[in-house]
Amino acid sequence: EADIYQTPRYLVIGTGKKITLECSQTMGHDKMYWYQQDPGMELHLIHYSYGVNSTEKGDLSSESTVSRIRTEHFPLTLESARPSHTSQYLCASSDPPTGQILQETQYFGPGTRLLVL
Amino acid sequence: QKEVEQNSGPLSVPEGAIASLNCTYSDRVSQSFFWYRQYSGKSPELIMSIYSNGDKEDGRFTAQLNKASQYVSLLIRDSQPSDSATYLCAVRNRDDKIIFGKGTRLHILP
Repeated sequence: EADIYQTPRYLVIGTGKKITLECSQTMGHDKMYWYQQDPGMELHLIHYSYGVNSTEKGDLSSESTVSRIRTEHFPLTLESARPSHTSQYLCASSDPPTGQILQETQYFGPGTRLLVL
Repeated sequence: QKEVEQNSGPLSVPEGAIASLNCTYSDRVSQSFFWYRQYSGKSPELIMSIYSNGDKEDGRFTAQLNKASQYVSLLIRDSQPSDSATYLCAVRNRDDKIIFGKGTRLHILP
């Protein structure tokens, strides 16, 4: 099971501020993901990474950016926060057991609740 | 057609009864299937994964997979109030991406 940490857990910030949501995992997983989820709604993949220096946009258009300089760290940045960015942001990581690609499973961090005023 | 479809519910089940949650998927090539539970305001947690046709049991939970019908289900026996949550079905597609359904809200009636 993966140990995934997200900070901050809750953030209230004013419009126009730059924010970075942190995500770290201690299992050495190559694959990491960011999802956005509004209350009672479905998960939307906004970014993913398959390893160091690899980042891709997900299915939902997002004004955020990500970086993957170290395997364990996958921060998400909003250059100028807006009220429309208010949501829960979930980080996940996965790596298949050696030789068992089918059993690759995503594990989620606790999430960051963001409120932009 | 969405890649992974679930009835959004809510599904109300009396305490002690069997809750049956269903999921269909569109990509015939899909090989890996997952059920996650998500409590309100929390992140999803993995309950079960299944890769082969048939049933897989883990405690009160049974996952059922029918690849011919492109159908995966989760049965919860002896339902408890603590089982009240949203259950997310997830499928790994041919592009090696894990696609989540919208989830089914389950409410166990005391």
